[in-house]
Amino acid sequence: QKEVEQNSGPLSVPEGAIASLNCTYSDRGSQSFFWYRQYSGKSPELIMFIYSNGDKEDGRFTAQLNKASQYVSLLIRDSQPSDSATYLCAADGGGSYIPTFGRGTSLIVHP
Amino acid sequence: SQTIHQWPATLVQPVGSPLSLECTVEGTSNPNLYWYRQAAGRGLQLLFYSVGIGQISSEVPQNLSASRPQDRQFILSSKKLLLSDSGFYLCAWGQGTTSYEQYFGPGTRLTVT
Repeated sequence: QKEVEQNSGPLSVPEGAIASLNCTYSDRGSQSFFWYRQYSGKSPELIMFIYSNGDKEDGRFTAQLNKASQYVSLLIRDSQPSDSATYLCAADGGGSYIPTFGRGTSLIVHP
Repeated sequence: SQTIHQWPATLVQPVGSPLSLECTVEGTSNPNLYWYRQAAGRGLQLLFYSVGIGQISSEVPQNLSASRPQDRQFILSSKKLLLSDSGFYLCAWGQGTTSYEQYFGPGTRLTVT
């Protein structure tokens, strides 16, 4: 059973702080990893993907991957109230068409 | 650019009634298509996926079915809805066998009464 584990939260951070969201995955065959943002009542939106060990930066977002530890994280710098959402971590299917999604971490950024 | 559409946006149906949800993708060809359900406060549950016209794989045995009559059209159906079918239904598309990014439609919120 392939699994992606996330802390459900909520993670509460003040505006302007760094929010750190984490997930672990079980399938060592997974090579690519994805972060989706889902606002309440809306569909998930892909915001970052990472294939290689290390960091990948895109604006205020940084994805980090450590394949040895089977650990993926998303850092959001200068957090804004508009970042308040549920963040879903996903791993590829390790050769299948089916990705594995975590259940998401709720982030609340308070003014 | 690629666009994915779903309709209807919301639906309230009585128990035992039929269901038909439609998803279409524009701006790409031969996409992989997926139906997910998300119950309130829960994660994504994959229901069906399709890698080509007429090719449907079911992930969860239940009273739902899916069809792909055209390359960029994916339909989710039921002959008789159950209360437990209530949820947020999401269609998603992806491309090829090496790219695993998925792009989601706006979703259909189904309430079975």
